[in-house]
Amino acid sequence: ILNVEQSPQSLHVQEGDSTNFTCSFPSSNFYALHWYRWETAKSPEALFVMTLNGDEKKKGRISATLNTKEGYSYLYIKGSQPEDSATYLCARNTGNQFYFGTGTSLTVIP
Amino acid sequence: NAGVTQTPKFQVLKTGQSMTLQCAQDMNHEYMSWYRQDPGMGLRLIHYSVGAGITDQGEVPNGYNVSRSTTEDFPLRLLSAAPSQTSVYFCASSYVTGTGNYGYTFGSGTRLTVV
Repeated sequence: ILNVEQSPQSLHVQEGDSTNFTCSFPSSNFYALHWYRWETAKSPEALFVMTLNGDEKKKGRISATLNTKEGYSYLYIKGSQPEDSATYLCARNTGNQFYFGTGTSLTVIP
Repeated sequence: NAGVTQTPKFQVLKTGQSMTLQCAQDMNHEYMSWYRQDPGMGLRLIHYSVGAGITDQGEVPNGYNVSRSTTEDFPLRLLSAAPSQTSVYFCASSYVTGTGNYGYTFGSGTRLTVV
């Protein structure tokens, strides 16, 4: 099993705060790293797909970085809003198989 | 454009019963997969397919069968349901992901309870 680990498991922040969380993964046999946003009672939605060491992706107030050599990715949210409350999943792709972390549950308090 | 459609949304089975979870996509995605999601665990891959006629096992395939006769459909069969198969099941699809360059589109999930 090629473990993907996410930290912290859960996070509560005040509206307007910036925050970040971590996805760690084995650096061998790396193809791609995905981030998903999963709102309660909905399905996961793809945020970013990153493949190259040093990749940085941005969508609005959310951005992500990738370090394949040391096996980690950071997800940043700038100026958190209540609608950012969700579970953020990362997944490592090793070819045709994805291995998901257990997610970071973010709650933004108004 | 419906995306990925899963049916049913909820199902209760008795131990030993069989059933098929349906998954269909209309995006012409070659890659389709089934995951189960259990408390405290990440999404775990059950089976996947890289195209019609091709299927392969994922991380937790025991107790499940799949087939892929068309690009659009990827049903998951439970041959003899067990309480350990109580879970939420997600179907997901994407373009062929040999390099992992494409994100998944997920279905809305099927909540299965085996009593």
